Amino acid sequence: GENVEQHPSTLSVQEGDSAVIKCTYSDSASNYFPWYKQELGKRPQLIIDIRSNVGEKKDQRIAVTLNKTAKHFSLHITETQPEDSAVYFCAAIPSGYALNFGKGTSLLVTP
Amino acid sequence: NAGVMQNPRHLVRRRGQEARLRCSPMKGHSHVYWYRQLPEEGLKFMVYLQKENIIDESGMPKERFSAEFPKEGPSILRIQQVVRGDSAAYFCASSRGLAGDGTQYFGPGTRLTVL
Repeated sequence: GENVEQHPSTLSVQEGDSAVIKCTYSDSASNYFPWYKQELGKRPQLIIDIRSNVGEKKDQRIAVTLNKTAKHFSLHITETQPEDSAVYFCAAIPSGYALNFGKGTSLLVTP
Repeated sequence: NAGVMQNPRHLVRRRGQEARLRCSPMKGHSHVYWYRQLPEEGLKFMVYLQKENIIDESGMPKERFSAEFPKEGPSILRIQQVVRGDSAAYFCASSRGLAGDGTQYFGPGTRLTVL
């Protein structure tokens, strides 16, 4: 089955700096890669996603890149703000529907 | 424009009791997925349902766990004879189509505590 590895497990940055979270996946059939943000005690919220026919996607301060050859994808957050502090999960779907999640990255943005 | 609804939000059960978790998908969504999140871990897929059909339950324990999505009403995840190891947050997600074509949106979760 699909195995998604996520690094780092914790990340601390100063407000205004950039944050990068990386994920690798094992199943070359995976074709959909969403990123979710989860604040403490709340639901995972989709922040951005990318499909296998695209190499990069950007939405304001958030961008995701995908390298299908190397089987890795990354989340980039620029100009970080304290409200970006949360746990971020990457996920991949081999073919079908079950989201396979990474173990999460706890991001702390300090003022 | 209500999102995915789950209830109860918190559920406390003693060992051996039954837990029933309910999920109402977003309007227009006919695909429901259940995930379990253990403390400080990622979410693990349990089961995928469409109306009146279980499509894939490969992530759900064979014993004590069952799920349904009837023609009318919410999807139900049922855990019989709960044990302490069942304590977790259970999230439901819904999509318009298959996740490859339809994004999954999550509910607020049910936090189950087994005493």
